[in-house]
Amino acid sequence: GAVVSQHPSRVICKSGTSVKIECRSLDFQATTMFWYRQFPKKSLMLMATSNEGSKATYEQGVEKDKFLINHASLTLSTLTVTSAHPEDSSFYICSAREVGQSNYGYTFGSGTRLTVV
Amino acid sequence: EDQVTQSPEALRLQEGESSSLNCSYTVSGLRGLFWYRQDPGKGPEFLFTLYSAGEEKEKERLKATLTKKESFLHITAPKPEDSATYLCAVQAPTSGSRLTFGEGTQLTVNP
Repeated sequence: GAVVSQHPSRVICKSGTSVKIECRSLDFQATTMFWYRQFPKKSLMLMATSNEGSKATYEQGVEKDKFLINHASLTLSTLTVTSAHPEDSSFYICSAREVGQSNYGYTFGSGTRLTVV
Repeated sequence: EDQVTQSPEALRLQEGESSSLNCSYTVSGLRGLFWYRQDPGKGPEFLFTLYSAGEEKEKERLKATLTKKESFLHITAPKPEDSATYLCAVQAPTSGSRLTFGEGTQLTVNP
């Protein structure tokens, strides 16, 4: 089945620094990937849709300059949290869908726990 | 605006005690309804996709059904390892390939 690898699984950074999270589709190509944020005991909140070779589409209220998304290839999307602050601490999850495999839904990565100190 | 409401918010069962989780949705045309399982600190794990009213899918102790207004996830004779948060999401033509998630049902199965 389709596998999405997300790295790192946990990261602690100092306030004011930037952190990059990678999302890779291991055995399929994904023209579109999605980035979510999840607060404790809450559901997934879509942040942006990452499109290969073009600009990401951000959801209302999500700061484009703070959450930089790059989708440079059909198997890799990155989310960079710039000038991170404690309020950016959260669980970030990416997902992708294999083209032509609609029966399998969207595959999610294992998530990244970001802690900003 | 697409809306997904899951109930109950939390559910405690004894091992072997069957029950159902509900997912009510409001969308302008349903392209697909998805069920996921999420364990603490992990990403959601895909369970089922349903496309049209009357459709049913099964996997081990889980069975998902779909009507025009809601979906049920039936859990038959659950085991402690079924404990997790179950998420429902919908995809509508107006939202492209984006999913709208419900708040989830946290299931605990006691031995």
